[in-house]
Amino acid sequence: DGGITQSPKYLFRKEGQNVTLSCEQNLNHDAMYWYRQDPGQGLRLIYYSQIVNDFQKGDIAEGYSVSREKKESFPLTVTSAQKNPTAFYLCASSVQETNQPQHFGDGTRLSIL
Amino acid sequence: RKEVEQDPGPFNVPEGATVAFNCTYSNSASQSFFWYRQDCRKEPKLLMSVYSSGNEDGRFTAQLNRASQYISLLIRDSKLSDSATYLCVVSLGGYQKVTFGIGTKLQVIP
Repeated sequence: DGGITQSPKYLFRKEGQNVTLSCEQNLNHDAMYWYRQDPGQGLRLIYYSQIVNDFQKGDIAEGYSVSREKKESFPLTVTSAQKNPTAFYLCASSVQETNQPQHFGDGTRLSIL
Repeated sequence: RKEVEQDPGPFNVPEGATVAFNCTYSNSASQSFFWYRQDCRKEPKLLMSVYSSGNEDGRFTAQLNRASQYISLLIRDSKLSDSATYLCVVSLGGYQKVTFGIGTKLQVIP
């Protein structure tokens, strides 16, 4: 079945540690996105990528980094510079055509130890 | 004014009731509109796209009012399984900014 796979489901970060969240899709979508969801807030865009080897900052990119070396994969690194990393992280993908919706992976919950 | 505004609720309705949610958006250039459903501690899942002429999918009807800049979702004959948070999503089109509302929580009561 085609879909988006995020791993791990739960992740704990120690002070000063970088952690990487995985996102893989087999939908052949060109565009991929990372969002953060906090209680009582809408999803906020961290980074997005329209094509391999290219990505753009979203609204809250500080303290995060990404790479897009393969079409299927868009990992997100939460660096030690991100002082409030506890959140639900969602990866999404979409086709290039206008008016097409995004499809989400099942998310990673990140907490600080 | 927020780009996308939703009443967070919760809306508590009895089984079998009809319930409607509105979502207002601020940018008149917005092109694409969607409703997503999100269950507690799960990812958002696409419920339906919203087309200019309005569209229906079973018990769900979506409407777009460009003049007043809002979209609506109507759920008829509510089921217990409809209990979830419903997210309004507005896009300027293509890779341009996609904005998610905070969601409206629906609780269907037996």
